[in-house]
Amino acid sequence: EAGVAQSPRYKIIEKRQSVAFWCNPISGHATLYWYQQILGQGPKLLIQFQNNGVVDDSQLPKDRFSAERLKGVDSTLKIQPAKLEDSAVYLCASSWNRGGYTGELFFGEGSRLTVL
Amino acid sequence: AQKVTQAQTEISVVEKEDVTLDCVYETRDTTYYLFWYKQPPSGELVFLIRRNSFDEQNEISGRYSWNFQKSTSSFNFTITASQVVDSAVYFCALSEAGKKTGTASKLTFGTGTRLQVTL
Repeated sequence: EAGVAQSPRYKIIEKRQSVAFWCNPISGHATLYWYQQILGQGPKLLIQFQNNGVVDDSQLPKDRFSAERLKGVDSTLKIQPAKLEDSAVYLCASSWNRGGYTGELFFGEGSRLTVL
Repeated sequence: AQKVTQAQTEISVVEKEDVTLDCVYETRDTTYYLFWYKQPPSGELVFLIRRNSFDEQNEISGRYSWNFQKSTSSFNFTITASQVVDSAVYFCALSEAGKKTGTASKLTFGTGTRLQVTL
């Protein structure tokens, strides 16, 4: 079974530029998450999708971050304009769920962003 | 609000030593799930175990064992006879039961414990 795919693996940009990350979850997983992991910290949830609807985006900085999950499969996370503090690894995860029962999250390898 | 505390930032042991990673959690829910994930240098988080709040039985899987104590809100992880390949950052995480039918609940992670196993 293929795992969660993410691209690009690495990205270096100047501050105020824009960047986009792509995620393809495990086939059949209805729930998709984007986490931000700053060096030395635990992952922090940015946004959670159930199919193509947003379940939780309370910690997404909406003035600069946006995410979409068209057709309930792939997802894109965009940052525009980027700030120095956005330097982090952006992790995508997916899980199955049935009636509120949470399956374990499967993570991709992450996209490492460096903002100069 | 949910919170997970991993007080040990970094632990170094010599191969074959046993090591315990501590995890303390806070939640107001009576139904919740606890997880441990391993993050090797490659960066991908690897699922190790999941427990639900109604099952306090300890679990053993090979060299790994987990001790869940609801009375102290702890979910500690022990590696017996550690090996160099165990070197990684280990995260404890908490998830409350989905509030809406058909929706999964997010994971709240601790800050992680870096385990270094040397020869």
